[in-house]
Amino acid sequence: AQRVTQPEKLLSVFKGAPVELKCNYSYSGSPELFWYVQYSRQRLQLLLRHISRESIKGFTADLNKGETSFHLKKPFAQEEDSAMYYCALKGRGSTLGRLYFGRGTQLTVWP
Amino acid sequence: NAGVTQTPKFQVLKTGQSMTLQCAQDMNHEYMSWYRQDPGMGLRLIHYSVGAGITDQGEVPNGYNVSRSTTEDFPLRLLSAAPSQTSVYFCASSYGTGINEQYFGPGTRLTVT
Repeated sequence: AQRVTQPEKLLSVFKGAPVELKCNYSYSGSPELFWYVQYSRQRLQLLLRHISRESIKGFTADLNKGETSFHLKKPFAQEEDSAMYYCALKGRGSTLGRLYFGRGTQLTVWP
Repeated sequence: NAGVTQTPKFQVLKTGQSMTLQCAQDMNHEYMSWYRQDPGMGLRLIHYSVGAGITDQGEVPNGYNVSRSTTEDFPLRLLSAAPSQTSVYFCASSYGTGINEQYFGPGTRLTVT
């Protein structure tokens, strides 16, 4: 079964410190993974997707099939990065139309 | 473009009442979906649609009905509200018939007493 696990409910770092938000997944085959972000009083929005291999707002995420992980990283956190972050996995086969979200990690960046 | 719009923003229902949450998009997206967001549970897919006249169940469909008579609209109906349906509901849409970048609405906060 497809599943996404975000082990940290809350994560706090100081401004300028590196940050890593963990995401592990359960999937057979080649997964398609996303990171979504919800800033305070804003809509949920796509941050990045692994097939794009891009860096958005200084964030990167690398797919590690061996560890079944898709951790989100940023070398120097900023206060404006404070938000709720969700990792999401696209379904396959009979669940191709589904997107499975993790429980989310609330990131707080202190000044 | 307004993007994805949802009405109402807030709603309080009594147990057993029914209501419809409205969702509309003006981006001509084929794919639309409904999620509920609960503390500690993340977002869970209720129903989705890959085009007008086509709907399918998500992870937590019980107690909810949907229909898709037009490309633009995807209403979510609560048949007989229960306290367990207290949640924030998000509608989302994306281009194509599969999962691409999802554009989310602002959400509807529903309380069932």
